[in-house]
Amino acid sequence: DVKVTQSSRYLVKRTGEKVFLECVQDMDHENMFWYRQDPGLGLRLIYFSYDVKMKEKGDIPEGYSVSREKKERFSLILESASTNQTSMYLCASMRARIARGGETQYFGPGTRLLVL
Amino acid sequence: KNQVEQSPQSLIILEGKNCTLQCNYTVSPFSNLRWYKQDTGRGPVSLTIMTFSENTKSNGRYTATLDADTKQSSLHITASQLSDSASYICVVSATNNAGNMLTFGGGTRLMVKP
Repeated sequence: DVKVTQSSRYLVKRTGEKVFLECVQDMDHENMFWYRQDPGLGLRLIYFSYDVKMKEKGDIPEGYSVSREKKERFSLILESASTNQTSMYLCASMRARIARGGETQYFGPGTRLLVL
Repeated sequence: KNQVEQSPQSLIILEGKNCTLQCNYTVSPFSNLRWYKQDTGRGPVSLTIMTFSENTKSNGRYTATLDADTKQSSLHITASQLSDSASYICVVSATNNAGNMLTFGGGTRLMVKP
């Protein structure tokens, strides 16, 4: 079974703090993604990475950065946390080669971040 | 603009009853459509995935249908159980020169009551 783990289930940080969210997958997937999920807005893509050291902006990259130094690990960084970044953060991974029947993104359990 | 719209936004049913969730999309070029189940406080888990040529797929009590002509999909849950209480998310994939892009619906929140 694919396993995607996230470093924390719950985090409380103060405005202005630097926040690191870590995600690790154990299936040698090339693609990794960071989403945030807010009530009424669904899942929104922040950043994704299709290879080590490669990254692409998603729909809402402002205020975030990412790091992919190893294939299995994809980190989301909030350089200076703000209250509007309070949200549920979900990491996902997926194979790069799309099978004929399609590919599935596998999600981690999520990190609920509260910025005070 | 690629869009995925789900209805209803929320639904309450009694245990043992059936229900159907809807997903309408305008995503091009269409690659595949997935339904995910997300329990409260947890990450989404894939239920079904369907390509253009498939119009129905089952996973236990869950049956997904796809009409690629009308760009509609439905998820039918049979003989609902309390554990079916969750959010159900429709995700449509498009594949173009930029790669594989996913568009997520806003989800339907289902509550099954005893």
